[in-house]
Amino acid sequence: ETGVTQSPTHLIKTRGQQVTLRCSSQSGHNTVSWYQQALGQGPQFIFQYYREEENGRGNFPPRFSGLQFPNYSSELNVNALELDDSALYLCASRLGGNTEAFFGQGTRLTVV
Amino acid sequence: GQSLEQPSEVTAVEGAIVQINCTYQTSGFYGLSWYQQHDGGAPTFLSYNGLDGLEETGRFSSFLSRSDSYGYLLLQELQMKDSASYFCAVRPAAGNKLTFGGGTRVLVKP
Repeated sequence: ETGVTQSPTHLIKTRGQQVTLRCSSQSGHNTVSWYQQALGQGPQFIFQYYREEENGRGNFPPRFSGLQFPNYSSELNVNALELDDSALYLCASRLGGNTEAFFGQGTRLTVV
Repeated sequence: GQSLEQPSEVTAVEGAIVQINCTYQTSGFYGLSWYQQHDGGAPTFLSYNGLDGLEETGRFSSFLSRSDSYGYLLLQELQMKDSASYFCAVRPAAGNKLTFGGGTRVLVKP
C-alpha cells in the first residue's frame, strides 16, 4: 500500500473520445508524475507537476495534458484518443528531491 | 537522452540467486533505482544507488558502477512471491523524470 490512489481502475473508451484519469498523491507529496506503460514494457514518462506547475515533459503530443490541484491531487487528460493510447497509466508521487517515487495501482485504459 | 538495457526474462528455482543486469547510456544522472512490479500491480521501490558500490536491503542487493555504465540487482534466496517484473530506472541530472528499462520478468519455479 503506497498511499497513492488512482481512479478509475479500468476504463474502455472509443477512438476519438476524451478521457480524464485521476490521482490522489501520498499525503504531503508535492510532486506528481504520470507514466504510460504498454503491455510488456517499462513505464514511459509523460509529464511531471510540482506545486501545480508542469516542470518536465516526455515525448508525448499536446493532446496529453494534466493538472495538479492545491491539495496535490492531479489529473491526466487525453483528447482525441487513438488505439495506441491503450495502456496502463500510472501516477507516482514523491516529496521534492526524495529519490523514492510511490506509484499508484494504475488505470488500465482500453481504446476500441 | 537515456536508454537502459535489461534481459527480458530470467527463470530460476526457489532458493536460488538471480542477478539482473542493467546497462545504460546517459549523459549524467543522479543514481540508479530498481522497482518491482507484480502482474496487475503498481511498481514498488526496491533499491537506490546514488554512489558506486553495493547496497544491501535484506534478500535484495543492488550495485552500481558509473565507470562501466552498469548496475545490477541481486535477488537471493528466491521465493515464489519474487516472481514479478523488475525495472531499473535512472533519474537524470537535469530534470526529475525516471527513465525505465524495458523490465526483466523473473519466473521462480518450485
